[in-house]
Amino acid sequence: DAGVTQSPTHLIKTRGQHVTLRCSPISGHKSVSWYQQVLGQGPQFIFQYYEKEERGRGNFPDRFSARQFPNYSSELNVNALLLGDSALYLCASSLATAYQETQYFGPGTRLLVL
Amino acid sequence: DQQVKQNSPSLSVQEGRISILNCDYTNSMFDYFLWYKKYPAEGPTFLISISSIKDKNEDGRFTVFLNKSAKHLSLHIVPSQPGDSAVYFCAASAMSNTGKLIFGQGTTLQVKP
Repeated sequence: DAGVTQSPTHLIKTRGQHVTLRCSPISGHKSVSWYQQVLGQGPQFIFQYYEKEERGRGNFPDRFSARQFPNYSSELNVNALLLGDSALYLCASSLATAYQETQYFGPGTRLLVL
Repeated sequence: DQQVKQNSPSLSVQEGRISILNCDYTNSMFDYFLWYKKYPAEGPTFLISISSIKDKNEDGRFTVFLNKSAKHLSLHIVPSQPGDSAVYFCAASAMSNTGKLIFGQGTTLQVKP
C-alpha cells in the first residue's frame, strides 16, 4: 500500500508569491494534518482536517489556509510568501481524529522563498 | 514556550551498545507520547508510542519509558545498529487537543560501526 504522498517535492518561490502544496493520505485515512519544519527544529502543527472540516489550527497567520477534498486529499495554501516561510512542509494522515491516533508522515515538500 | 524539549542535540554510540534518547515536557495535560525517526530527505517515521496509563512500552529493539512525576520520557535502543543513525523526535498530544502533536527539537543519533 502506498504511504502518504506529497507534491511537489521541491519548490522555489519569490517573496509575495502564492504557493499550493498537495497531499494524498494513506488509503482509508480520513484525517490530514499539516506541519512546518524549519531547519534545526521539530515539526510545528499548522492544521488538521477531518471529513473536509477544519478540526484544529496552530499558531500561524491567516496567510496559511488549507482544505480537504471528498477523496480526503488536501491542499495547503500560503499567500504573500515571506523569506521565513522557507521550510519543509509535512503532511500526515491518520484514520480519524480519535484520541491516540498515530499520524503517518509523507516525505514533505521543501519550499525555498527567495 | 517549548512544551517538549530534547536537551541533547546529538548522541554518538558504538554499534551493539545501548542508545538512550531523552525528552522532557512541561504540560501536565499531555497524555500520549510518540517517537519518530527521520532520515534526511524523508518524512518522520513512526517508531513507538506510549499512553500515560503505562510506564513502559516495548517493540523489538525499542523501549519507551515514561516517568509522569518527572515529566520525562526516554527511548532505549538495544542493540544499536548503524542503520539507526537518524534524527529522533519525541512528540506529545493531549486528549483535549487531539490531532495536534507537539514535537521536541530532535536528537541526532550516530551509531558508529
